[in-house]
Amino acid sequence: KAGVTQTPRYLIKTRGQQVTLSCSPISGHRSVSWYQQTPGQGLQFLFEYFSETQRNKGNFPGRFSGRQFSNSRSEMNVSTLELGDSALYLCASSLEGTGYGYTFGSGTRLTVV
Amino acid sequence: AQRVTQPEKLLSVFKGAPVELKCNYSYSGSPELFWYVQYSRQRLQLLLRHISRESIKGFTADLNKGETSFHLKKPFAQEEDSAMYYCALSGLGNNDMRFGAGTRLTVKP
Repeated sequence: KAGVTQTPRYLIKTRGQQVTLSCSPISGHRSVSWYQQTPGQGLQFLFEYFSETQRNKGNFPGRFSGRQFSNSRSEMNVSTLELGDSALYLCASSLEGTGYGYTFGSGTRLTVV
Repeated sequence: AQRVTQPEKLLSVFKGAPVELKCNYSYSGSPELFWYVQYSRQRLQLLLRHISRESIKGFTADLNKGETSFHLKKPFAQEEDSAMYYCALSGLGNNDMRFGAGTRLTVKP
């Protein structure tokens, strides 16, 4: 069974640009969550999607958005990048939600210069 | 609002010694609590869930609603237990999981 796949693994972007990150969940998993991980703030919840609907959203500005497709794959987008957006972005999937725990991807390392 | 506190950033014990990683939470509803672990150069992975009351790799954790704690314990630490440990909280049915800051456990030979 393939795990959670995140692409790309690494990205370097310039301030002001936008970026799209992709996440393919485990087959059969319908819930996908995104987290931002930084040394200073730890793991911060961005949003959670289930069956193409955003069910929960963390405390991030509107520049951070996401979506989920009918095959449960998810993308997150960050517009007008700032230096402070440099982080490891983690995607996690589960069958229905948090109850059974998450399976995490290896993340996308975004560097904004 | 839900909050998870792991008071120790670093914890160091000798092999064979007991270990306890502390986790306290704040949540007004019914919580679901988890421990996740990240070994060096590996993905973050689920260690255990309070609802299943299981023991994984010798680790156990008991939910204490009175003290709002979910401490992770192991009676005899092994060197391979060295890792970053995260406590996480979700409200029952709300699918919004929040993580603590993590505790880095080092088990010395």
